Amino acid sequence: GAGVSQSPSNKVTEKGKDVELRCDPISGHTALYWYRQSLGQGLEFLIYFQGNSAPDKSGLPSDRFSAERTGGSVSTLTIQRTQQEDSAVYLCASSLAVGQGYEQYFGPGTRLTVT
Amino acid sequence: AQSVSQHNHHVILSEAASLELGCNYSYGGTVNLFWYVQYPGQHLQLLLKYFSGDPLVKGIKGFEAEFIKSKFSFNLRKPSVQWSDTAEYFCAFGATNKLIFGTGTLLAVQP
Repeated sequence: GAGVSQSPSNKVTEKGKDVELRCDPISGHTALYWYRQSLGQGLEFLIYFQGNSAPDKSGLPSDRFSAERTGGSVSTLTIQRTQQEDSAVYLCASSLAVGQGYEQYFGPGTRLTVT
Repeated sequence: AQSVSQHNHHVILSEAASLELGCNYSYGGTVNLFWYVQYPGQHLQLLLKYFSGDPLVKGIKGFEAEFIKSKFSFNLRKPSVQWSDTAEYFCAFGATNKLIFGTGTLLAVQP
């Protein structure tokens, strides 16, 4: 079946602009996760959703970052007033449910470059 | 705090050589451990996972990993690597609501 998809695959934006990144999880997966992969930082967790609810937003780097999920499916990660340090690959993953034992399936990522 | 460390940042091997990539975690309770692989230009995919039971787990493409509780380790092994194994390998710890990743090991296999 279809895997996790993300759009756009690449995004170049000017410093100070807002960007929206989209994630379509695997159908039927109730849990959705956002991670960021940057040079020197590895893969860091940003936020997760159980259904449409995000119980823990503490992984978001700053208040310029926000995320939402609607209909228990598509999620958008929004970065306001982008900074150069936001440049990274943003990865989305989904799993059947939230919990240690559930495998997370990753999308191809969105490469964000802030100039 | 829970953490994962991978000590090998960059490994270069010739084809047919044996591979062992180190992974250590810090957590005293029940663990769920994963190895993910990212081939050039592709997305992260699961190689293998350990939840409980036999500490030696087999994964795809001939990879295996051994969970050693006393050493807090979950090292990845392959007896004979191929050029197609060139990729970045990530060890991860399954926390309640997320995966905690190591910094990754870049493996380059020379033909």
